[in-house]
Amino acid sequence: AQSVTQLDSQVPVFEEAPVELRCNYSSSVSVYLFWYVQYPNQGLQLLLKYLSGSTLVKGINGFEAEFNKSQTSFHLRKPSVHISDTAEYFCAVSEWGGGFKTIFGAGTRLFVKA
Amino acid sequence: DTAVSQTPKYLVTQMGNDKSIKCEQNLGHDTMYWYKQDSKKFLKIMFSYNNKELIINETVPNRFSPKSPDKAHLNLHINSLELGDSAVYFCASSQDPASSQEYEQYFGPGTRLTVT
Repeated sequence: AQSVTQLDSQVPVFEEAPVELRCNYSSSVSVYLFWYVQYPNQGLQLLLKYLSGSTLVKGINGFEAEFNKSQTSFHLRKPSVHISDTAEYFCAVSEWGGGFKTIFGAGTRLFVKA
Repeated sequence: DTAVSQTPKYLVTQMGNDKSIKCEQNLGHDTMYWYKQDSKKFLKIMFSYNNKELIINETVPNRFSPKSPDKAHLNLHINSLELGDSAVYFCASSQDPASSQEYEQYFGPGTRLTVT
């Protein structure tokens, strides 16, 4: 069985500061990893994904994430955040096992302060 | 053009009523999903359809019945609504994971259901 743990439920940060949102997962098979962002009163949209290849993946809006297989982590980073980055961020893991299933983490609320 | 659309955006109803939420995608995807997001933002898969066939049916009360009249539509009908059904329901779509390397899902704007 797979699970996704987002270690921080809320992350407050000042504008232009760096941020890291942490995600760990557990799975016994190969996985595909995603970060989605949800702005208030909207649906989720894809920030970035890791399917294979380079473990450092870059996404939209200046975000990047690094896949670490030994630590089963996929942390999301941005070197300098903006007020507009305030949103809920979801880590998701997909795998084949009795069909193709995707499990989402509980979400991390990023709150950027002026 | 909206890629994944849902109607209605808001739905307020009383316990015991029956209601439906409609979802349409114009991305040409084969696979569609329904998710429930609770008040703590936790997102849980309810159903998954591929080419109008039910693929995933998680532990959901049988009061919830999805219907896919064609590949572009996946509707959700809920009978005998209960207070605990209050949540935001998201429809999503993707290419068929079995035949595509594009696994990301595209989400609709959500339907906020309030049961009083």
